This record gives sequence, C-alpha cells and structure tokens, in this order.
Amino acid sequence: RKEVEQDPGPFNVPEGATVAFNCTYSNSASQSFFWYRQDCRKEPKLLMSVYSSGNEDGRFTAQLNRASQYISLLIRDSKLSDSATYLCALDTGRRALTFGSGTRLQVQP
Amino acid sequence: DGGITQSPKYLFRKEGQNVTLSCEQNLNHDAMYWYRQDPGQGLRLIYYSQIVNDFQKGDIAEGYSVSREKKESFPLTVTSAQKNPTAFYLCATLDRYNEQFFGPGTRLTVL
Repeated sequence: RKEVEQDPGPFNVPEGATVAFNCTYSNSASQSFFWYRQDCRKEPKLLMSVYSSGNEDGRFTAQLNRASQYISLLIRDSKLSDSATYLCALDTGRRALTFGSGTRLQVQP
Repeated sequence: DGGITQSPKYLFRKEGQNVTLSCEQNLNHDAMYWYRQDPGQGLRLIYYSQIVNDFQKGDIAEGYSVSREKKESFPLTVTSAQKNPTAFYLCATLDRYNEQFFGPGTRLTVL
C-alpha cells in the first residue's frame, strides 16, 4: 500500500461548482499535513496547511480526520483558474514531506 | 527578492555522464531538500539536509550524491549509476512552521 494515496482524476467540473478531494495516508505517526497546488510544468506551491481543527482560506477548506487517516480539500465556487493538480503531503516526523501523486482538476466554462 | 533558484532550467545529459544541478536559497532556512518528479506522479525524496555539513538519504537516493558546505547551497549530482535519470528535479527548503517551499525546478533529459 502506498504511504499517501490520491484519486488521480481528472475531476471535470463546471465553473461555480463545489469539488472535494480526499487523500488517505497509512502512517498514523504523521504529524503535519499540507495541500499543494501544481500547475503544468511548474513547481508545487503551498496552498494551505491542514490543522486538526480544520481551516478555511476563502473558497478553500481543508480538514483532517485522524481516526480514518485522511485529509480533504474542498473548493467552493470553482474558477477556471483553479484548474491544476492538487498534491497532498505529510510529514511522518523526519522533517521531510511525503507526497501523494496528485489529483487533477479541470474547471470548465 | 527572497527565494530559491535552480539552474539550469533544462539539462541534457549523455548516458554515462555525471551532471550537477544547482540549488541556491536566500531564505535563511536551515533545511534543504531534493525531490524528483516523473510524469503523472508525485514527488519522491532523494536527499535532504537539516543543517550545514550534514545530510540524509531520502527514499530514492541510489545514483545520486549531494553536499552541503554552505547554508545557501545544496547541489545534487546525478551520477551514471542512476538508471533512469530523466525527470523533473525540484529543490526545496523548510521554514520554521514546517512549510516547504520549492524552486522552479530543473528538467533533466538523458539523450
């Protein structure tokens, strides 16, 4: 089993839709969790950290479920500019991130 | 401008050659990392360094080597022992909030 798993997609959604991605992890010792956005042929950029209490940044909401070992990302009111690959990442305590393979989102007009 | 620079942006290597990828940062972060990304896949950790003159192997270190002689610099050498070196190589640093920041990457192609 992979340490971090994501549905590769693509998720094709119309503008204005709400879309959610999940990311499951196998190591219960994982301590820090993140969502990154990666545009085609570019480096990943930090979208948001994921806290135990959940956190929200504008249209984006991230949540952590330790009992079921997954994190989620919810995007409300999707924009064309949200089209990208979304990578989840976590740190199991070695101060280095382990990444999922990414979920591709395509927002259509 | 604070940030991470990687050079070159594109690199072509003949089989059997060693090549060195440069990574420089002026963020004053202690920890630096090298990841590799293959098409349609996530990032895999090659090597990382928490402090100057110290580094650890990541998940796929075979065929690679690094040095950390200065806080600002963490070069990666891809040796001829690396069987499938064609990939997108990303250098990163880690801040005190455990958030990772990436350079723009180097695309290495073996001819």
